[in-house]
Amino acid sequence: KAGVTQTPRYLIKTRGQQVTLSCSPISGHRSVSWYQQTPGQGLQFLFEYFSETQRNKGNFPGRFSGRQFSNSRSEMNVSTLELGDSALYLCASSWAAGNTEAFFGQGTRLTVV
Amino acid sequence: QKEVEQNSGPLSVPEGAIASLNCTYSDRGSQSFFWYRQYSGKSPELIMSIYSNGDKEDGRFTAQLNKASQYVSLLIRDSQPSDSATYLCAVNILKGTGANSKLTFGKGITLSVRP
Repeated sequence: KAGVTQTPRYLIKTRGQQVTLSCSPISGHRSVSWYQQTPGQGLQFLFEYFSETQRNKGNFPGRFSGRQFSNSRSEMNVSTLELGDSALYLCASSWAAGNTEAFFGQGTRLTVV
Repeated sequence: QKEVEQNSGPLSVPEGAIASLNCTYSDRGSQSFFWYRQYSGKSPELIMSIYSNGDKEDGRFTAQLNKASQYVSLLIRDSQPSDSATYLCAVNILKGTGANSKLTFGKGITLSVRP
């Protein structure tokens, strides 16, 4: 059974650009959550999608957005990139929303220059 | 108070010793608790989940949950150098009715097992 797949693995962007990251969850899983990980702040929750609906959102500016498709694949978009957006972006998949185990993908390392 | 708090590290133990990692959480209504291991440069890997008060054992790992005191811990017996990693405590924090719960992580504690 394939795990959670995130693409791309590495990305270098210039300040002001926008970026789209992709996440394919484990087959059968319908919930996808996104996290930002930085050395100083640890793992910060961005948002969670379940059955194409955003179920919960963290405390990030509106430049961070996401969506989920009917096949449960999810994308997150960051517009007008800032240097501080440089981080490891992790996607986690669960079979359902709520109190269930979450499994992480390998992450996308975003560097903004 | 932080939603999920872990001891400041790092923690260093000799090979073969018991490593004890602790975590406290703020939401008394939380129902799901997890421990993740993250090796340097890798993504977090789920190693234990616990939902009821008491102990749950899986090989050399034991998770302990005390909802009354709002803490969850992870014991690693017979620690090995390969256990050297950052351990993240995660709690499903409820918001309102619980329909909007989110998995919230502590900052993590780095464990180093000395050969």
